[in-house]
Amino acid sequence: AQKVTQAQTEISVVEKEDVTLDCVYETRDTTYYLFWYKQPPSGELVFLIRRNSFDEQNEISGRYSWNFQKSTSSFNFTITASQVVDSAVYFCALDNFNKFYFGSGTKLNVKP
Amino acid sequence: DTAVSQTPKYLVTQMGNDKSIKCEQNLGHDTMYWYKQDSKKFLKIMFSYNNKELIINETVPNRFSPKSPDKAHLNLHINSLELGDSAVYFCASSPAYPANEQYFGPGTRLTVT
Repeated sequence: AQKVTQAQTEISVVEKEDVTLDCVYETRDTTYYLFWYKQPPSGELVFLIRRNSFDEQNEISGRYSWNFQKSTSSFNFTITASQVVDSAVYFCALDNFNKFYFGSGTKLNVKP
Repeated sequence: DTAVSQTPKYLVTQMGNDKSIKCEQNLGHDTMYWYKQDSKKFLKIMFSYNNKELIINETVPNRFSPKSPDKAHLNLHINSLELGDSAVYFCASSPAYPANEQYFGPGTRLTVT
């Protein structure tokens, strides 16, 4: 079975705090891709990152970083020094070639 | 210039009608997608075309039919609309499949009454 779990339904932090959004996935395949997307209150969808299953290097992009660990089937997303503009719903997704699964999303509220 | 555009932005229609949503991308990408987001914000991929060839066809009612006249367009036609079809439909494109980046359209909010 393929499945993506985002156990945190909603998180609230104060601006400048660091926050980690968890994503745990299930797949029997050895080749797959993992994604993160952002959906701000305005409703558009924004692609953030894709990782393939053979690349476990952590990725950093500005204040964003991603920790991919195959041993725990997790692909967590950390925002450092959060800002109000980071407030959004964040979706994790799994793609194992022609099958795509989304997590239910984590709503992040960053308060000033 | 809009990279991925969808028309219409809002669509209100009655049950049983047939409607289409159009999507166009001017990025020169080979792959296009349709996603559905329901009222609970759950996202689901519906279809994907790569070079006009269907590569992802998730379990959706056959009332939904994608049509790709060329690489820049992926339209979604829905027959016999039902209340449960009410959702936001997003179109997206990527340079290739699997996607290493994706660009989304603004979404089409479909309301079936």
